[in-house]
Amino acid sequence: LAKTTQPISMDSYEGQEVNITCSHNNIATNDYITWYQQFPSQGPRFIIQGYKTKVTNEVASLFIPADRKSSTLSLPRVSLSDTAVYYCLAERAGSARQLTFGSGTQLTVLP
Amino acid sequence: GAVVSQHPSRVICKSGTSVKIECRSLDFQATTMFWYRQFPKQSLMLMATSNEGSKATYEQGVEKDKFLINHASLTLSTLTVTSAHPEDSSFYICSARPDSGGNSPLHFGNGTRLTVT
Repeated sequence: LAKTTQPISMDSYEGQEVNITCSHNNIATNDYITWYQQFPSQGPRFIIQGYKTKVTNEVASLFIPADRKSSTLSLPRVSLSDTAVYYCLAERAGSARQLTFGSGTQLTVLP
Repeated sequence: GAVVSQHPSRVICKSGTSVKIECRSLDFQATTMFWYRQFPKQSLMLMATSNEGSKATYEQGVEKDKFLINHASLTLSTLTVTSAHPEDSSFYICSARPDSGGNSPLHFGNGTRLTVT
């Protein structure tokens, strides 16, 4: 399983765009990059997944360069409710694969 | 979307008793489910992989006789903390992905806060 490295914490203000970068230097060819969000005392929740280039959904964008050794989660116009821990994982296809969580990034959105 | 239901959400028990936590996939089948434990301000730690119809696979350092896992059907896995002690107090989270999922992301339960007094 590819190890991922993220900043431990980030602060932002309401209305700003937040970019959280994750490095995964040892990512394998058939690994996907997935980001999860976790609020206190809740299970993680899926945000976005991608393989390469750019993926966008209703809550976030994910940018993955051609070498795939890093990825950036972009949250547009954050609000106080986006304060959470964000985890980046390199997942291999297949239902039985397990996930190993890194330390995650604690995002704090300030008023 | 795919939903994983975990029950109970919160439990307080006395030292020496056993506690069972249920994890259900509500709208998909999951041959494999995962159990995590999370201590305050820390990341999720994988405890074991639950396999329907066969024995669970435990991570190094996790006592299989203490954390009993039963994956009785394709939609239900249970974790029983036997003879609980205060150091077992933690946040337990289960997860699963559909068997047909391919690269489908994991779906997580909302966790169980266990407090052992």
